[in-house]
Parts: sequence; C-alpha cells; structure tokens
Amino acid sequence: GESVGLHLPTLSVQEGDNSIINCAYSNSASDYFIWYKQESGKGPQFIIDIRSNMDKRQGQRVTVLLNKTVKHLSLQIAATQPGDSAVYFCAENIPGGGNKLTFGTGTQLKVEL
Amino acid sequence: DAGVIQSPRHEVTEMGQEVTLRCKPISGHNSLFWYRQTMMRGLELLIYFNNNVPIDDSGMPEDRFSAKMPNASFSTLKIQPSEPRDSAVYFCASRRRDSPTEAFFGQGTRLTVV
Repeated sequence: GESVGLHLPTLSVQEGDNSIINCAYSNSASDYFIWYKQESGKGPQFIIDIRSNMDKRQGQRVTVLLNKTVKHLSLQIAATQPGDSAVYFCAENIPGGGNKLTFGTGTQLKVEL
Repeated sequence: DAGVIQSPRHEVTEMGQEVTLRCKPISGHNSLFWYRQTMMRGLELLIYFNNNVPIDDSGMPEDRFSAKMPNASFSTLKIQPSEPRDSAVYFCASRRRDSPTEAFFGQGTRLTVV
C-alpha cells in the first residue's frame, strides 16, 4: 500500500494501553470534526465525528474531545489492539456551498505486542 | 453494496501521456470527492461534486487536471499531459446528503508517471 508513514508523526503504544492522537485545526467555520482511519493499501474509513458545539463524544472504545479555544481535537482509543494499527486523520466539514470535507496531516499509530 | 469502485487500481504511464481515472460512487450518494495522497502533501482535496455539479475545484493543481461527472453513477479525473510529479494515489469518495461527515472511499488508483 501507500507508504504514507515515512513522513508522518508516529505514536507507538503497547497493546492494551490507551492511545491519544492529537490534531490542530485552523478553520473556525467547520461545523463538524471527524476522525478517519486508514489501513495500509486501503482508503480512509470513518470512525467518529463531533459537532462543533460539543466538547466530547464517545463511541465504542473511542472518545473524541474538542477544544475550540485552542482549536484542538483529539482521539482517544481505549485498550488499543493490534487491529488499531493504521494512519489516523482528522478532518473538517465546512458547511455552506456544499459541505467541503478536508483532511489534516495523519498520525501513524503502531501497536506493539 | 459494492462500495465505491475505482479503476484502474494501478496505472503506469509515460510522461506526456493522458491518464483517465474512473470512479463509480455508491448508489444514492449525492456527493463525490476526488483526493490525491502523497507522502509530502498528505490527503489533498482536488474537487468535489454535489448532485453531479462541481462545487469547488480550487484544489485542482493545474489546468492539466480536469474532472467530470456526467451522471450520478460515474466520474472521471483526467490528467493531460501527465508529469512525474503527478505520481500519487488518487482516491474517490462518495457521501449521502444527510450524512455530511461520513465519506466512503474507494480503494484508490496508484498512478506512476515515468
């Protein structure tokens, strides 16, 4: 697959530990912030989103936190598993004119056994 | 549903040649996106369509790039003439009107221009 990891920030965690992946955004007009996961050789896949008027949202083993004051978004993965190894992207949806979906820089998550 | 289908999966072409990438979105989705992924620039939005109409093509790098969506079930991204710096993985994604955050991606087309 695409070797996107060579220039990406990398987070290495032990299996079973919690992972925290961070993202900074710049566009205050975004109405949703989203996390996507990309496994090697595949396209990105939706994980979870959060509306801009919220500060926390929980899913299954994942939690997204939004701090609009400092324009920071994070994804927490509980009890990280080997299958969580992938590149994670934060994304923004910009409403008006058709909901433009743009992606930030990815983070490579490596889960060590 | 088969998901978003892109073709070809791999394309190797010589500099100066025309390249056409194809995408079939998921039936019922009204938005279609073209992205380019490289190590240097990450995942860049090139252009997107809503209801077959191009909404924003500000990400298209040069006039050598063009995209069309003649109907709701087909889109093309064309590069003419191609250059080595166009080498990348090109992704197509589609999305439902009522779900603006969840885009479904195809497997991508790996383009190599030599």
